[in-house]
Amino acid sequence: ILNVEQSPQSLHVQEGDSTNFTCSFPSSNFYALHWYRWETAKSPEALFVMTLNGDEKKKGRISATLNTKEGYSYLYIKGSQPEDSATYLCAFENQGGKLIFGQGTELSVKP
Amino acid sequence: GAVVSQHPSWVICKSGTSVKIECRSLDFQATTMFWYRQFPKQSLMLMATSNEGSKATYEQGVEKDKFLINHASLTLSTLTVTSAHPEDSSFYICSARDRASGTYNEQFFGPGTRLTVL
Repeated sequence: ILNVEQSPQSLHVQEGDSTNFTCSFPSSNFYALHWYRWETAKSPEALFVMTLNGDEKKKGRISATLNTKEGYSYLYIKGSQPEDSATYLCAFENQGGKLIFGQGTELSVKP
Repeated sequence: GAVVSQHPSWVICKSGTSVKIECRSLDFQATTMFWYRQFPKQSLMLMATSNEGSKATYEQGVEKDKFLINHASLTLSTLTVTSAHPEDSSFYICSARDRASGTYNEQFFGPGTRLTVL
């Protein structure tokens, strides 16, 4: 059974704080790692697809890194804003093309 | 671009009835659509993968006779929960893969359907 773990489960920060959370995944049979942002009552929105060990991707104030050898990815948000409040999901894509999701990290940013 | 709609957004039904959920790709053609289920505080769990014009592939432990999937066109897949029971109450969400997408399984999600069976 493949486990994708995200930590922390929830996070409460003040506006302007920088934050980061972790996605751990199996280091074998790796094909890609996906990050999604999911606001309440909306569709999950794709943030990044990461494939190479050492990959770093950035989208505005959000960035992510990937370590496939040890099986983890970090998502960073610089200067959190209330509109960043959402659940952040990671998904491990195996060689067969299946996505296996973590439970998500629920971020709440207070003004 | 890459918008997926899902209908209904929530449904309440009596035990023993069947419920149909629609998933549509609005601005792209989806050769493959996926159906997930999420129980409270748990991760999205893949139920089945459907390819246009062929039978769906179900994950282990998912009853194909209970969860009927039809993917008759490149923009529509339906999930029918037959003879629903309270234990089927859950959040069901679909996703679609763009026919023109690259090698990675980038999926575009609908907003989900909350099913409550009384």
